[in-house]
Amino acid sequence: GESVGLHLPTLSVQEGDNSIINCAYSNSASDYFIWYKQESGKGPQFIIDIRSNMDKRQGQRVTVLLNKTVKHLSLQIAATQPGDSAVYFCAERPMDSSYKLIFGSGTRLLVRP
Amino acid sequence: DADVTQTPRNRITKTGKRIMLECSQTKGHDRMYWYRQDPGLGLRLIYYSFDVKDINKGEISDGYSVSRQAQAKFSLSLESAIPNQTALYFCATRAGVWADTQYFGPGTRLTVL
Repeated sequence: GESVGLHLPTLSVQEGDNSIINCAYSNSASDYFIWYKQESGKGPQFIIDIRSNMDKRQGQRVTVLLNKTVKHLSLQIAATQPGDSAVYFCAERPMDSSYKLIFGSGTRLLVRP
Repeated sequence: DADVTQTPRNRITKTGKRIMLECSQTKGHDRMYWYRQDPGLGLRLIYYSFDVKDINKGEISDGYSVSRQAQAKFSLSLESAIPNQTALYFCATRAGVWADTQYFGPGTRLTVL
């Protein structure tokens, strides 16, 4: 069945280092992908998205990479800060079910001072 | 996101009670969604609505019902709460079919004893 998974449930990084959070997706027909950040006690917050006709998109301190060949998505955070500590979710939107997003279970990012 | 509000933020109830969770949005979006989040699992879709007259079941709708009272309001009801409905519940909005991003409310933590 459809699924979106993450390789690492918890990632610990030193403040100032770059972080890379990975995500594997299974539906090759998905045409849109999105990363959310969820801080404790809050709802998911949009970070960055990418369409399937792109392989890279950059935002402020964040970059999303899409490798459709191996169905892999990653979120790169530059110069990780304590405020980046949160759970990060990837989600995909199947082209044939465009009303919904399929979410991964999340990766917790811990930033060490 | 302050544009999407949920009430109550926390609720403890007993098995068999009827519970209503409310969601309001000021984003002017047509589409609204209800998700539940359980530890270690991704967000799962309960119900979604494209407009006031269009309501659809998601992947886990059993035991839940919804009401779209207006474009800005979408309520989720548990007719007879049971302990395995203990979870975090999130409301989300999306502008329309040509928009991609879903925006989430802060969530309701529901505990069924």
